[in-house]
Amino acid sequence: DAKTTQPNSMESNEEEPVHLPCNHSTISGTDYIHWYRQLPSQGPEYVIHGLTSNVNNRMASLAIAEDRKSSTLILHRATLRDAAVYYCILRDGGGADGLTFGKGTHLIIQP
Amino acid sequence: DTAVSQTPKYLVTQMGNDKSIKCEQNLGHDTMYWYKQDSKKFLKIMFSYNNKELIINETVPNRFSPKSPDKAHLNLHINSLELGDSAVYFCASSHGGASYEQYFGPGTRLTVT
Repeated sequence: DAKTTQPNSMESNEEEPVHLPCNHSTISGTDYIHWYRQLPSQGPEYVIHGLTSNVNNRMASLAIAEDRKSSTLILHRATLRDAAVYYCILRDGGGADGLTFGKGTHLIIQP
Repeated sequence: DTAVSQTPKYLVTQMGNDKSIKCEQNLGHDTMYWYKQDSKKFLKIMFSYNNKELIINETVPNRFSPKSPDKAHLNLHINSLELGDSAVYFCASSHGGASYEQYFGPGTRLTVT
């Protein structure tokens, strides 16, 4: 899987939007962009994924740059429960193997 | 209903022992995985398995072996446990393929003394 780059940590206030960036300049045409998060003492949790178009679900939105070399996970209204480590992961079209986790972004939410 | 479950939640054992961790998924997925999260919180894929192929991360010692009695289960057997095996082990499942999400279990914290 291709490499991604994320900030080590970000801080935001409760009830405000959060934009988590991810750079993936070596992405290939068949790579899907996945986001997972891990809350303290829990297993990783799927958030959202996309290929080329922006995506929305009940948890978040994913904005993908036109050249696909970067993406942004958007939490529209952060709550304290959103404090977690967020991982941006590329998966190639075959995808037979598992996820390759990086260090992720540690999101801190201030009340 | 729990989608992906693991037992036990905690496992404390001595060096040299052999132990197993069980994983079950009720999502009808055809691919299951084992991940290891070490003390520095770094998550690493160990195995990926469906009924057609087993993909092994080359860094995993052969003391670790996955065993799948059926499509809903993927157990992890560990022989001759070492101190460095202490970690949290997560099972996951998916339909397989890059366009599908993975669902993770709650983890098993293994402590080797």
